[in-house]
Amino acid sequence: DTGVSQNPRHKITKRGQNVTFRCDPISEHNRLYWYRQTLGQGPEFLTYFQNEAQLEKSRLLSDRFSAERPKGSFSTLEIQRTEQGDSAMYLCASSLGQGFPEAFFGQGTRLTVV
Amino acid sequence: EDKVVQSPLSLVVHEGDTVTLNCSYEVTNFRSLLWYKQEKKAPTFLFMLTSSGIEKKSGRLSSILDKKELFSILNITATQTGDSAVYLCAVHGSEKLVFGKGTKLTVNP
Repeated sequence: DTGVSQNPRHKITKRGQNVTFRCDPISEHNRLYWYRQTLGQGPEFLTYFQNEAQLEKSRLLSDRFSAERPKGSFSTLEIQRTEQGDSAMYLCASSLGQGFPEAFFGQGTRLTVV
Repeated sequence: EDKVVQSPLSLVVHEGDTVTLNCSYEVTNFRSLLWYKQEKKAPTFLFMLTSSGIEKKSGRLSSILDKKELFSILNITATQTGDSAVYLCAVHGSEKLVFGKGTKLTVNP
């Protein structure tokens, strides 16, 4: 499968715990995006990378959230001290790069904070 | 701040009906508008529109953009139960896509 891959698919965690999600983009794609989606809403932008550089971060993203893309390939999204409001689907997408806005999405990681 | 508004938010039709989904937007430095279909998990790409008045078509789906009036429509003719999904509209202005809330389409047999 050469699409965008996300792991895990589901995560249940207790409030206050840290969680980390992984995204493997399509191999030739330079851009990688993280979005969050809650029920009845469209995907909400969190952050994006051009290769290994994190170029934009949503101002809605608290400092408990951090993302990395250390070698310009896979990316991780970490949420520290999870809260119930963090429960959502976390979607990763990738695209070829600047000038190619068509983003291809992974299956998402559904986070439930109890 | 870039904004995308989709209407209706939900729609229930019978197989064979034709539907029109609407998307209006406000965006600085508009570059393109994209439509996605989301069935269970991942949104899947349908169309990208950059120029006004040019229809994009794929089978029973078609879409057109009006850059003067700042909206797009997605038409689905002869709907099938497999068309049931959430249809998302997104605009590309800055370096990211900004999505609307989506239209949930239910096609009943």
